[in-house]
Amino acid sequence: GAVVSQHPSRVICKSGTSVKIECRSLDFQATTMFWYRQFPKQSLMLMATSNEGSKATYEQGVEKDKFLINHASLTLSTLTVTSAHPEDSSFYICSARSPLGESSPLHFGNGTRLTVT
Amino acid sequence: GQNIDQPTEMTATEGAIVQINCTYQTSGFNGLFWYQQHAGEAPTFLSYNVLDGLEEKGRFSSFLSRSKGYSYLLLKELQMKDSASYLCAVMDSNYQLIWGAGTKLIIKP
Repeated sequence: GAVVSQHPSRVICKSGTSVKIECRSLDFQATTMFWYRQFPKQSLMLMATSNEGSKATYEQGVEKDKFLINHASLTLSTLTVTSAHPEDSSFYICSARSPLGESSPLHFGNGTRLTVT
Repeated sequence: GQNIDQPTEMTATEGAIVQINCTYQTSGFNGLFWYQQHAGEAPTFLSYNVLDGLEEKGRFSSFLSRSKGYSYLLLKELQMKDSASYLCAVMDSNYQLIWGAGTKLIIKP
């Protein structure tokens, strides 16, 4: 149980274009999902907390107008990287907490490798 | 501030035992997690400790001492597929996860 699916797994786009990444909880409802970014050889960096039916909570230093998050249903959150630039190239990972309570572990999607040329 | 410390890299031999340490200083504590992350992949959950002591799960065990702000992940009978990064994460009083930078474990034949 507690499977999180993320799509696409890999995307290459041109500078200035936008990319949408989807994160789905397949067998449970996730009122909260988390979006992380990871640069090579570095740890996970929380970008934002996505809340179903309300605005996302962004971490300090993350531009909310550049990284648009929509959590329209209990099983789907999307991250759109708008006007992507080469420095946005990174590994983006979504996660959701299994429905056992706030101390339950996070389950991660398989991640999206974004390359902006 | 909040801080998680773990070694950057460790090397061990196939079939041996390795212990990866994690020390933490956080505002409150609601549990400590260990995750495994293979290169280019997302992390996968290994263990969760909220009470002091040792939790054993097959070849992997995790230990916690809350008074010392210390945990370790013990891997026995190492296999080549155990080569990965191991991430220590602590859940603080606001149920936010604070992540360590990860320990890259290299297994040699």
